[in-house]
Amino acid sequence: GAVVSQHPSWVICKSGTSVKIECRSLDFQATTMFWYRQFPKQSLMLMATSNEGSKATYEQGVEKDKFLINHASLTLSTLTVTSAHPEDSSFYICSARDGGLDYGYTFGSGTRLTVV
Amino acid sequence: KNEVEQSPQNLTAQEGEFITINCSYSVGISALHWLQQHPGGGIVSLFMLSSGKKKHGRLIATINIQEKHSSLHITASHPRDSAVYICATFTMEYGNKLVFGAGTILRVKS
Repeated sequence: GAVVSQHPSWVICKSGTSVKIECRSLDFQATTMFWYRQFPKQSLMLMATSNEGSKATYEQGVEKDKFLINHASLTLSTLTVTSAHPEDSSFYICSARDGGLDYGYTFGSGTRLTVV
Repeated sequence: KNEVEQSPQNLTAQEGEFITINCSYSVGISALHWLQQHPGGGIVSLFMLSSGKKKHGRLIATINIQEKHSSLHITASHPRDSAVYICATFTMEYGNKLVFGAGTILRVKS
């Protein structure tokens, strides 16, 4: 089945630094990837839709200069949290659709970011 | 805008019990996912449904398009089934974005 590999699974960084999270579709081409954020005991919140070869579409209230998304190839999308602050600490997860599998979504394993 | 509601929010069951989690949505959809999230955070797609019923092992998912309702059933529940179960719908007309229910926290006791 379709697999999305997400790295790192967890990261601790200092305030003011930037952190990059990668999502790769391993056995299919993902023209679109979705980036979510999840706060404790809450459901997933869509941050942005990443489209290969074009600019990401951000949801209302999400700072595009804070959360940089790059989708440079059909198998790789990255989310960079710039100038991280403790309030950016959260669980970030990506998903992608493989159109060849009847529109099913596959999720990455998630990244737990802690900013100290 | 689609609203997705799940019930119950929390569910505690004894090992071996039959479990049902319900999901209702407000507008027509292209398909619905049932997702499982374990405490570590990773999310697994259990089923994707656009009509009828699907079965995988002890898990059964059904959807009634006319009534805008889906159910996830777990037969012979086991402690390892303890997780958060989330239903999520998507509609191609809305850019394929998933709309998530709030999730059902299931705990199966041995």
